[in-house]
Amino acid sequence: GENVEQHPSTLSVQEGDSAVIKCTYSDSASNYFPWYKQELGKGPQLIIDIRSNVGEKKDQRIAVTLNKTAKHFSLHITETQPEDSAVYFCAASGGDKIIFGKGTRLHILP
Amino acid sequence: DAGVIQSPRHEVTEMGQEVTLRCKPISGHNSLFWYRQTMMRGLELLIYFNNNVPIDDSGMPEDRFSAKMPNASFSTLKIQPSEPRDSAVYFCASSLGGGGGNTGELFFGEGSRLTVL
Repeated sequence: GENVEQHPSTLSVQEGDSAVIKCTYSDSASNYFPWYKQELGKGPQLIIDIRSNVGEKKDQRIAVTLNKTAKHFSLHITETQPEDSAVYFCAASGGDKIIFGKGTRLHILP
Repeated sequence: DAGVIQSPRHEVTEMGQEVTLRCKPISGHNSLFWYRQTMMRGLELLIYFNNNVPIDDSGMPEDRFSAKMPNASFSTLKIQPSEPRDSAVYFCASSLGGGGGNTGELFFGEGSRLTVL
């Protein structure tokens, strides 16, 4: 089955700097790669997603890139703000199931 | 819409007791997922349903775990007997997709935090 690895597990960046979270997946049949943000005491929420026919997608300060050959995908957050502090999960899906990475705790330092 | 509703939000129980977690998905969604979150393992998929039918329960850790979806608006996850290592946050999520196509966006509830002493 699908296995998703996510790095780093913890990331601290100065407010205003960029943050990058990287993931790899194992199943070449996966074609849908969402990213979820989880705030304290809440369930994860979708923030952006990308499908395998696209190499990059951007939504304001958030961008995702996908390299299907290498089975890598990444989340980029620019101009980080205090409200970006949360746990971020990458995920991969080839059909019905969505398999998550273990998460990255992002701290935005003042 | 109220979103996915889970109960209880917090449960503290003793080892050996039965635990039942409940979930009401978003109306009209046809797929429902149960995930378990721990620090060590992150978000693990336990089981998912499509049109009330269990499709894949390969993530259910042991026979002590069981899940049902008697109708489109209700699902339960039961642990009997519970053990301390079952302590985790259990999330229910629903989506419009599934059934062979891409699942699409998952909408998560706020989770049920289970502590087994």
